[in-house]
Parts: sequence; structure tokens; C-alpha cells
Amino acid sequence: KNQVEQSPQSLIILEGKNCTLQCNYTVSPFSNLRWYKQDTGRGPVSLTIMTFSENTKSNGRYTATLDADTKQSSLHITASQLSDSASYICVVSVPWEDSNYQLIWGAGTKLIIKP
Amino acid sequence: DVKVTQSSRYLVKRTGEKVFLECVQDMDHENMFWYRQDPGLGLRLIYFSYDVKMKEKGDIPEGYSVSREKKERFSLILESASTNQTSMYLCASSFFGQGGYTFGSGTRLTVV
Repeated sequence: KNQVEQSPQSLIILEGKNCTLQCNYTVSPFSNLRWYKQDTGRGPVSLTIMTFSENTKSNGRYTATLDADTKQSSLHITASQLSDSASYICVVSVPWEDSNYQLIWGAGTKLIIKP
Repeated sequence: DVKVTQSSRYLVKRTGEKVFLECVQDMDHENMFWYRQDPGLGLRLIYFSYDVKMKEKGDIPEGYSVSREKKERFSLILESASTNQTSMYLCASSFFGQGGYTFGSGTRLTVV
């Protein structure tokens, strides 16, 4: 069964600190992996996308890594800011019929940055 | 920028009412999706559409129907709202063959 599991479920850190969020998936075949940021009461917004051959991708203070062999991804946030408080969702794309895609969503990690 | 607009941010409806959630996108995307999001669960796909008048069931279609009469508009219909349909509903769109979705801001529906 295609699944995406994220850990931790929630995380509280002090402003300025770094943190790492984990994503493990059992999806096959694999097309790409995305990390989304979802602010409270808003729809998710894409942060990074990585294909099978990519190991790391950065977007400002966000760095995503991918190990396709172990089927693990991580999202590292550097020098956290209060605006980083949000849910972070890992999503894996699976090829679907007629060149379309199906998305398998993780449940997300709720990150709280305290001043 | 692609814009996906959901007609209501908050809705409160009574059990048994028929509820319409509207979603409009302005970038000529072929694919449109309706998800619901509940605490502790990932986004769950209700229905999606890859063309006008086309619809496909997602993972949890029971109790819902959809309508796509125009390319830019995708409506989610709760035929007879129930309390277990209290949730955040998210609409998304994308080009056919691409997994990058653009989401609306969501509609928080409460059924009392």
C-alpha cells in the first residue's frame, strides 16, 4: 500500500534554532517528492520538489534531502523565524494513467516557533 | 500567479442541508481536485476532474458529488450534510500531467 509517514507529529523550537523534519514513504513507482508549507487556515504552498535523481534541493532557509534507496526525505530549516510556524507536508507523486499523477499525502508535521 | 478561489472561508450548515462549495481557477488548468483535511490525517482526495464534465472518484467520495460544467469551475456538493462532514475542504488545480498543485485558501465547514 502506498503510504507517506512523517515525524515528528509536532515540534516546538525556539526562534533562531534549526530543525529537521522527516518523511518516509512506501510508494512505488516513484515520480517525485514535494514538501509543502501550510499556514493555519490556508491551503498548502509548494516549497521544494525533487525527482528520483536529486539528493538535495534548497529554497532559502529550507533544504530538502532525498534518499531514494531508503525512501526517506528530510526538510531542514535553518535559523528558524516566527513565520516558519506552520504545518509541513510531504507529498509523493505516483505516475497514473494517461500521463497524469496521483499524490500520496503525509499527515504533516506541525512546527511551532517560540520567541 | 495562479489563483484558486474558494467561495467561502467559513460555512455553518444544518444536518440534512444541501451544501455547495465552489472553486474557481484562472490559469486554464485541466485538473481540479477537492480534498478534505482533518486533524492528524493527511489530505484525503474526494473527487477530481481532468476535463470539463469529467469526474473521477477519489479515496472518500461517499456523501459527495461534484460538477464541472466549465473548465475554470469545480463544485463540490454535499447532498445531505452530516456532522461527520465537518472539516476543512481544499480545492486545488494543476496542468494535466503535472503534480504541482495550486491550492485555494480552504473552506472550513461546520455541520451542526
